[in-house]
Amino acid sequence: GENVEQHPSTLSVQEGDSAVIKCTYSDSASNYFPWYKQELGKRPQLIIDIRSNVGEKKDQRIAVTLNKTAKHFSLHITETQPEDSAVYFCAASKGGSYIPTFGRGTSLIVHP
Amino acid sequence: EPEVTQTPSHQVTQMGQEVILRCVPISNHLYFYWYRQILGQKVEFLVSFYNNEISEKSEIFDDQFSVERPDGSNFTLKIRSTKLEDSAMYFCASSEIAGELFFGEGSRLTVL
Repeated sequence: GENVEQHPSTLSVQEGDSAVIKCTYSDSASNYFPWYKQELGKRPQLIIDIRSNVGEKKDQRIAVTLNKTAKHFSLHITETQPEDSAVYFCAASKGGSYIPTFGRGTSLIVHP
Repeated sequence: EPEVTQTPSHQVTQMGQEVILRCVPISNHLYFYWYRQILGQKVEFLVSFYNNEISEKSEIFDDQFSVERPDGSNFTLKIRSTKLEDSAMYFCASSEIAGELFFGEGSRLTVL
């Protein structure tokens, strides 16, 4: 089945810096890649997703890039703010069921 | 904004006991899921449910687990005879279309 690796496990940045979280996947048939943010004690929430027919997608300070050849995708957060502090999960899934397989999560800490 | 709700938020049980975790998906959603997250580990897929039947399940979802949609609104996960290693956070999720999951806040299960 699909295997998703995510790095780093912890990322500490200063407010205003950029943060990048990287994921790789194993199943070349995967074609949908969502990213979830989970604040402490709260539910995971979808923040952005990308499908395999595009290489990049942007939503304000958040962007996701996808390299299908290398089977990796990344989350980029610019101008980080303390409220960006959370655990971020990447996931990969494929058509049909679209059931996401998750990475281990990255704990992002943004210092004021 | 409609949300997926889960009860209980935390349950403590003795090994060998049966546990039922309850979820109320978002009302117009058609796809339902259970995931679990053992402390410090990745979010793992257990089972998906569509059109009143299991559509897919993982290796984790063995004969000790069952799901039910008893009354058209609730979606339950039953563990028949809990083991220590079942201790985890269990997340219910639903989606209107395949792929875009909305998660509940989770039910933490502690097996003693």
